Amino acid sequence: GDSVTQMEGPVTLSEEAFLTINCTYTATGYPSLFWYVQYPGEGLQLLLKATKADDKGSNKGFEATYRKETTSFHLEKGSVQVSDSAVYFCALSDRNSWGKLQFGAGTQVVVTP
Amino acid sequence: DSGVTQTPKHLITATGQRVTLRCSPRSGDLSVYWYQQSLDQGLQFLIQYYNGEERAKGNILERFSAQQFPDLHSELNLSSLELGDSALYFCASMSSWEGRTEAFFGQGTRLTVV
Repeated sequence: GDSVTQMEGPVTLSEEAFLTINCTYTATGYPSLFWYVQYPGEGLQLLLKATKADDKGSNKGFEATYRKETTSFHLEKGSVQVSDSAVYFCALSDRNSWGKLQFGAGTQVVVTP
Repeated sequence: DSGVTQTPKHLITATGQRVTLRCSPRSGDLSVYWYQQSLDQGLQFLIQYYNGEERAKGNILERFSAQQFPDLHSELNLSSLELGDSALYFCASMSSWEGRTEAFFGQGTRLTVV
């Protein structure tokens, strides 16, 4: 079945550092790929998405490119802020899955001043 | 604000009891999804309803059931509760999975079984 693997956390960074969170996936079809963010005590918010190979999703300084050849969707941000401290989830939705999401385990990111 | 409302926000109950979690989807969204977030299992898809009908089932225990009503709100019923059922339960809604529209999540119901 479909699955998502993302790097384990916590990832601790200083403010203005570069952030990368690796995400790879296994899917039989051509899934859409997502990054969701969960701030402390809140629900999940869509951060960015990509629906086909070579698409780049971007939002709030975060970027991720859908790489079909490496089945990856790594999340990057050039300069993190304390407010980026959260748990980040990589997810996929297969065309035949009625919109349900398969999530990775989540990566906690802690940004210190 | 995602537009998805879940009640209650917190619930504490004893083992063996039954609880009902409620979800009101975004206005106009026909699909409702339930997810469970626990420390050991991560985020797991439980079940999906579309316009009142069950569409997909994930790792949902037989002690759990759900339904979607004509006004499109959904309820997740958890019975014979065990300590391991303690988790954050999320509801999400989506207008359609065609065209890759995004899912909007509620803030969750935190269930603690003691």
